[in-house]
Amino acid sequence: QSALTQPPSVSGSPGQSVTISCTGTSSDVGSYNRVSWYQQPPGTAPKLMIYEVSNRPSGVPDRFSGSKSGNTASLTISGLQAEDEADYYCSSYTSSSTFRYVFGTGTKVTVL
Amino acid sequence: EVQLVESGGVVVQPGGSLRLSCAASGFTFDDYTMHWVRQAPGKGLEWVSLISWDGGSTYYADSVKGRFTISRDNSKNSLYLQMNSLRTEDTALYYCAKDLYSGSYEFGYWGQGTLVTVSS
Repeated sequence: QSALTQPPSVSGSPGQSVTISCTGTSSDVGSYNRVSWYQQPPGTAPKLMIYEVSNRPSGVPDRFSGSKSGNTASLTISGLQAEDEADYYCSSYTSSSTFRYVFGTGTKVTVL
Repeated sequence: EVQLVESGGVVVQPGGSLRLSCAASGFTFDDYTMHWVRQAPGKGLEWVSLISWDGGSTYYADSVKGRFTISRDNSKNSLYLQMNSLRTEDTALYYCAKDLYSGSYEFGYWGQGTLVTVSS
């Protein structure tokens, strides 16, 4: 049961765009459009930011967008703001016979 | 308003047992699959287990399979996690979570978590 691979950190200046990748396999990211993204500021519970690859729940700013190509999903934050500084995790449904979900390794986004 | 409130986290010795609870409100509990997700101190998120709306299907991460049991009581709007043969590596903040929509595949709502510490 291997975690999805994310870069440990990304950074950008206010107003810039950053993209976080999430690489899985043909058993998870590559097979299902059931990829989601979570934002977790320090000391808080995770918050859903993107579901089903590219959909935003109500209340999430449209600066956050998601996409997928093959076994890799991506989260892009456009017009970076100070409050976007947090850890971000991807997650995917998986076709394993025993377990059903896997998370990414997590990415720290720093606003310079 | 959806609310998920976890409880039951304590300090326990290796090899011990513990039962976590999650009290749900603000939605029709028996319409939703429910999950447990954990986060070790300073580490990332790890999906632990899920249970279908009626309790008929359960799944576990390989790391807890055979030691943890997920269950629910729809009459009490409550989710549980029975944790046996605890190991130091089970030390984590345990969150309960629900799908965004009934039958969807993401963790739309989260509780604040309950801390389990396995230590001698």
